[in-house]
Amino acid sequence: GQQLNQSPQSMFIQEGEDVSMNCTSSSIFNTWLWYKQEPGEGPVLLIALYKAGELTSNGRLTAQFGITRKDSFLNISASIPSDVGIYFCAGPNGQNFVFGPGTRLSVLP
Amino acid sequence: EPEVTQTPSHQVTQMGQEVILRCVPISNHLYFYWYRQILGQKVEFLVSFYNNEISEKSEIFDDQFSVERPDGSNFTLKIRSTKLEDSAMYFCASSEVAGGSTEQFFGPGTRLTVL
Repeated sequence: GQQLNQSPQSMFIQEGEDVSMNCTSSSIFNTWLWYKQEPGEGPVLLIALYKAGELTSNGRLTAQFGITRKDSFLNISASIPSDVGIYFCAGPNGQNFVFGPGTRLSVLP
Repeated sequence: EPEVTQTPSHQVTQMGQEVILRCVPISNHLYFYWYRQILGQKVEFLVSFYNNEISEKSEIFDDQFSVERPDGSNFTLKIRSTKLEDSAMYFCASSEVAGGSTEQFFGPGTRLTVL
């Protein structure tokens, strides 16, 4: 089946720093979704990407749909403490989505 | 802003008991899903549901699982005879159109603990 990998697995950054994480797949996708999950809560959709090369922003977050259609990147600028959480990428697998293992972000004040 | 809701937020049950997890999808959405997340692991697809029938299911969704839309608003997941390994967060999601080409919106989850 479809496999997604995310890197890094976890990261510790200082408040104010920029963050970059990526997601790669074993096959071509036509959609990428980025979610954030905080402890004990459900995944919250951050950004949806539908076209190769597409660059989409949502506040301090920017995500790109890789040209090869096998990867996607999420950047967070000027991180703040509430950015803490696990960031998941997801790609379509039939009518459902397959999720990556997540990147756990910790922001140090 | 419309959202997916789930009840209960936490369910504790004895092994072998039946549980029903409830979800109210976003009102104009037509496609509904259940996902599972074992503690510390990634989110895994269980089942998708459209037009009152299952459209896709994973290998996790075996005969002990069933889904139902008993009325116009609720969408339920039943686990017939719970096992210890069913302990996980269960998330309901919904989407306006078929899931592979559009966003899915998740509920806050039900934490199921099987003792």
